Amino acid sequence: QVTLRESGPALVKPTQTLTLTCTVSGFSLDTRGMCVTWIRQPPGKALEWLALIDWDGDSYYNTSLKTRLSISKGTSKNQVVLKMTNLDPVDTATYYCARISGGHVNWFDPWGQGTLVIVSS
Amino acid sequence: SYVLTQPPSVSVAPGQTARVTCGGNNIGDKNVHWYQQKSGQAPLLVVYDDSDRPSGIPDRFSGSGSVNTATLTISRVEDGDEADYYCQVWDSSSGHHVFGTGTRVTVL
Repeated sequence: QVTLRESGPALVKPTQTLTLTCTVSGFSLDTRGMCVTWIRQPPGKALEWLALIDWDGDSYYNTSLKTRLSISKGTSKNQVVLKMTNLDPVDTATYYCARISGGHVNWFDPWGQGTLVIVSS
Repeated sequence: SYVLTQPPSVSVAPGQTARVTCGGNNIGDKNVHWYQQKSGQAPLLVVYDDSDRPSGIPDRFSGSGSVNTATLTISRVEDGDEADYYCQVWDSSSGHHVFGTGTRVTVL
């Protein structure tokens, strides 16, 4: 059974850096075609794609956020880490990670349950 | 950047058919995926590659498309189908994924 679980701080101060971890099970991040992606959703608003990393370590970013985002594989073989710098209250959102299989252009399935991050002083 | 436009809301009576549209420039050239998000839950894939269904998704959910519009059709709507629905594509020109604006389906 494939599962993903997001973890990280629930509250972050403005200008700080957010570090989120996606821990996966049921598949290997090193298997050809496997990718992990991050998506966020501000309260009451639509989904916004953030970034993805593929089995080979190649990464892709939302161009509007690219200067603030960094995605990498964690030190643990089953983790993907997303960093977002210079947080602002508008970055308050539920952050999800999801799997993409068969290459980075494909659909997201399954998703983690999400983690709510509030940016406030 | 590539934009996907969905109607904010669709209302449908139980047992009837709901159609959710997703408009984008030449979207017919792209593979469209659809997600259902019930209140307080993570999104769930219901249609991928325009018209394929993941295992476990009822055949009441179907997808189709034309040159500039993709459509998610929910037949024989049930109370449990009440949710937000999002379309999604990969935009090769920008090199990233794009979500639609989302549609709330309300069962009357």
